Amino acid sequence: DAGITQSPRHKVTETGTPVTLRCHQTENHRYMYWYRQDPGHGLRLIHYSYGVKDTDKGEVSDGYSVSRSKTEDFLLTLESATSSQTSVYFCAISERGKHTEAFFGQGTRLTVV
Amino acid sequence: AQSVSQHNHHVILSEAASLELGCNYSYGGTVNLFWYVQYPGQHLQLLLKYFSGDPLVKGIKGFEAEFIKSKFSFNLRKPSVQWSDTAEYFCAVNAENTDKLIFGTGTRLQVFP
Repeated sequence: DAGITQSPRHKVTETGTPVTLRCHQTENHRYMYWYRQDPGHGLRLIHYSYGVKDTDKGEVSDGYSVSRSKTEDFLLTLESATSSQTSVYFCAISERGKHTEAFFGQGTRLTVV
Repeated sequence: AQSVSQHNHHVILSEAASLELGCNYSYGGTVNLFWYVQYPGQHLQLLLKYFSGDPLVKGIKGFEAEFIKSKFSFNLRKPSVQWSDTAEYFCAVNAENTDKLIFGTGTRLQVFP
């Protein structure tokens, strides 16, 4: 398995609180992605990064922000968590984005109550 | 914008039956195509990928997929499924002009002995 670690693996938080999820890689891959997985919706891209401090929005970016200050870390922040953000969040990495496969982390199960 | 459609949401088969899962994408230019599998409780793993060349692609565990450009399709096939193929299957596309990797909504496959 590719060296991808997501933390925390499980989290329960209250509505309105900020939450930060971390994705750490040891592969030195350039591209990193955050997805959310929900029944009936598959995986939807939230944000992605194509280098340090280079990020862009995905399909469902509202209510989320990201930061990448180092190659190995990609942080996803829910600025004010809502119940609709209850989901399983997956981080993925890719060496060159276009012509290589993406490797996925184990996922973070987030529950907003 | 690129998008991916998987029309089979839930497929139930008996062992040894043949499998074909549909995947259609919307993008008129060059694309890279992927099929991923997610076994229960696990993260996504790559089954196979198409970048260029022979449109019939063979992957792991006896799976194959055929890229038909005129139909914007990349259907997944397996001649004889096994109980261990029970999982969720995702088609994904990466268009040439973007770094985004977009997934379909997934197909849940249940194989009964």
